[in-house]
Amino acid sequence: DAGVIQSPRHEVTEMGQEVTLRCKPISGHDYLFWYRQTMMRGLELLIYFNNNVPIDDSGMPEDRFSAKMPNASFSTLKIQPSEPRDSAVYFCASSHTGAGNTIYFGEGSWLTVV
Amino acid sequence: GIQVEQSPPDLILQEGANSTLRCNFSDSVNNLQWFHQNPWGQLINLFYIPSGTKQNGRLSATTVATERYSLLYISSSQTTDSGVYFCAVHASGGSYIPTFGRGTSLIVHP
Repeated sequence: DAGVIQSPRHEVTEMGQEVTLRCKPISGHDYLFWYRQTMMRGLELLIYFNNNVPIDDSGMPEDRFSAKMPNASFSTLKIQPSEPRDSAVYFCASSHTGAGNTIYFGEGSWLTVV
Repeated sequence: GIQVEQSPPDLILQEGANSTLRCNFSDSVNNLQWFHQNPWGQLINLFYIPSGTKQNGRLSATTVATERYSLLYISSSQTTDSGVYFCAVHASGGSYIPTFGRGTSLIVHP
């Protein structure tokens, strides 16, 4: 399997611009997670989906963040408008209920907002 | 919710040394994973080990679920072992959401 695929790998954008991060989970996985990692806060769970339905978005920092999963093979995390404090690595991960919920991470999207 | 504590927080080794990383958790679990985040930021699965012992090359892991801890052993460490090691658990009772420890940062010097 190709693993969890994220794009872009790196993005530098100006404050106020919209940022869209993309994720393709492993085929057949029924859970999808979005995490953010910073030096200060470590690895934070932002939102997760089960069978394409958002289950818990309590980790989303504010209304500027939104996530969608229109089908089983695609999800987006959008930040609008972006701010410098959003600079972080954003990871997408997926897991399958029938496989002990072993979680697999993508390579991350490195976001810098200047 | 379940608490996950990893120790030590930081570890510096000379190449060739052995080390043991520990993960304690506060409640029963039905899944436990160890990850290595390499210096390039990739999070790599090392072990899925809710109980028992597994080995993969120079790495091995043991989880004693009844005593609520897991150990990751690194033998004959290499510079490529540098990075952060995370433990993640799923609490028993149907939780599908992993709870991560804060990690152990390992530096292996040549």
